[in-house]
Amino acid sequence: DIQMTQSPSTLSASVGDRVTITCRASESISTWLAWYQYKPGKAPKVLIYKASSLESGVPSRFSGSGSGTEFTLTISSLQPDDFATYFCQQYNSYALTFGGGTKVEIK
Amino acid sequence: QVQLVESGGGVVQPGRSLRLSCAASGFTFSSYTMHWVRHPPGKGLEWVAAISFDGTDKYYADSVKGRFTISRDNSKNTLYLQMNSLRAEDTAIYYCTRETGATEYFQYWGQGTLVTVSS
Repeated sequence: DIQMTQSPSTLSASVGDRVTITCRASESISTWLAWYQYKPGKAPKVLIYKASSLESGVPSRFSGSGSGTEFTLTISSLQPDDFATYFCQQYNSYALTFGGGTKVEIK
Repeated sequence: QVQLVESGGGVVQPGRSLRLSCAASGFTFSSYTMHWVRHPPGKGLEWVAAISFDGTDKYYADSVKGRFTISRDNSKNTLYLQMNSLRAEDTAIYYCTRETGATEYFQYWGQGTLVTVSS
């Protein structure tokens, strides 16, 4: 199975900060990568697909980049609603796998 | 709009069985591959199983292979997950998800149903 490694596992930031989360795949997945936002008690929400495509309805402050084995999710200016846990997911091949998650906390 | 509503969760003893259901609406259910994804407490998301639009192809995570069975009834717009030989590590919120139809990322999610495996 393809292993997905996210860093950092926790990130403390303030409203207005630029935030970057990294996801590394154990082998090349081309651009078959999605990013999700997860809040307690709510269903996960897809933000980015195909590494850099913004899902419809997602604010433009979210962006994704990368290909192969290295990927990043960037929030250009952190908003109060963005404090949550973020997961990457590869869909290059079964078994589909997620990263371990990055919790974005209020500094 | 797309709606996915899970049911069937609860508290169950180790070694016992449970069947989850997911009622789908707002889209042509029989046209989409469907998945189950779970979130164990304090851990990350874990993909569990997938079933093709017509039920002919099924895929499982190694952690559940041989114990869980995914199935669907397209006449009832319903997805199922039969979970046998349950273990404490199967404790999680279980989500029914729908992919896009062309790629295997999860565009729509249900609200989840909690399964607790405990004696």
